[in-house]
Amino acid sequence: GNSVTQMEGPVTLSEEAFLTINCTYTATGYPSLFWYVQYPGEGLQLLLKATKADDKGSNKGFEATYRKETTSFHLEKGSVQVSDSAVYFCASQTGANNLFFGTGTRLTVIP
Amino acid sequence: DTEVTQTPKHLVMGMTNKKSLKCEQHMGHRAMYWYKQKAKKPPELMFVYSYEKLSINESVPSRFSPECPNSSLLNLHLHALQPEDSALYLCASSPPGREQYFGPGTRLTVT
Repeated sequence: GNSVTQMEGPVTLSEEAFLTINCTYTATGYPSLFWYVQYPGEGLQLLLKATKADDKGSNKGFEATYRKETTSFHLEKGSVQVSDSAVYFCASQTGANNLFFGTGTRLTVIP
Repeated sequence: DTEVTQTPKHLVMGMTNKKSLKCEQHMGHRAMYWYKQKAKKPPELMFVYSYEKLSINESVPSRFSPECPNSSLLNLHLHALQPEDSALYLCASSPPGREQYFGPGTRLTVT
């Protein structure tokens, strides 16, 4: 079956630090992969996506590369800001099937 | 325009009340979803509508009743809820099988 395993949080970083949040997936077939971000008190926003192996999704300085050989989709950002403080969810989807979410990683960036 | 709107933003209701949550999108998406999210957890899928027909009901209690009046609107009717139903209720939409776009959610408190 499909599942997503995500790095346990919380993660606390200083401003301008490098961010990595690990995500691995198991799936039947070839899933599309997503990172969603949830700011306090808000809904989920699609941050980036990749639909096939070796695709790189990017948005707002965040990047993630679809690695089929390691079944991974790690989220990275070179220099985090206080405004990046949020909960980040990795998710996978195969065909018309449901989204499978990871457990979420809470990021706090301190000035 | 990638906006999904939800009303109300907050709702407090007693266990004997009847209320409705509303969701609207104008992106032409033919799949719409209801999710329930408890604090510090990922969203849990409740219902999926595809082309205005209910396609998935994730064994949700009958006190939650979804309705899709047309391709832009999705309602969730609530009746005789329990305090444990207090949560953030998220609506999402997508082209079938594609990335989902979420609304800001309705924060429901059952007293």
